[in-house]
Amino acid sequence: SAVISQKPSRDICQRGTSLTIQCQVDSQVTMMFWYRQQPGQSLTLIATANQGSEATYESGFVIDKFPISRPNLTFSTLTVSNMSPEDSSIYLCSVDGQADEQYFGPGTRLTVT
Amino acid sequence: GENVEQHPSTLSVQEGDSAVIKCTYSDSASNYFPWYKQELGKGPQLIIDIRSNVGEKKDQRIAVTLNKTAKHFSLHITETQPEDSAVYFCAASYTDKLIFGTGTRLQVFP
Repeated sequence: SAVISQKPSRDICQRGTSLTIQCQVDSQVTMMFWYRQQPGQSLTLIATANQGSEATYESGFVIDKFPISRPNLTFSTLTVSNMSPEDSSIYLCSVDGQADEQYFGPGTRLTVT
Repeated sequence: GENVEQHPSTLSVQEGDSAVIKCTYSDSASNYFPWYKQELGKGPQLIIDIRSNVGEKKDQRIAVTLNKTAKHFSLHITETQPEDSAVYFCAASYTDKLIFGTGTRLQVFP
């Protein structure tokens, strides 16, 4: 399985500001996914990012709020824009493996005050 | 779209006992069913998975069963140990995505 790192591991941000989260994988992958996990909850897919194309967003998530970049096959960023306390969550990236498998990074724990 | 239900939400067992977590899915086209373990402060870890052409799969103390007709699948952990304590998530494939269950918090008491 791939080794995935995320930066930052945690952050405390003021409302109205933006934070960019980085996801780095140690091998080339086709698909990268961004999830949100609110405290004590399950994982909700924000968007799917393929290299060389626009990210595909799930219902309830929009590009203006969560812009995503995928400049190459090993890296992606998710920006949480104009943050409010409701954006306090764990943000997880994952990558596809062989045949539908997904492997997750350690997550970024975001607190918005 | 796909919906995945997971039960129970919490499960407490004595060390050495077995634990069973059950999930049901709604989309008959789903063909891949992974299970993840999430420890406190960490990302989910893939621990076992099963595909729709298989009814059961085992890996040491953990096993997963799939009933395609009833659209449910289960995780079985035998001889539980305190280090099995974590939140477990089931998931089902839906197009090129995974839809996750609501999670089960397993506590194993020594």
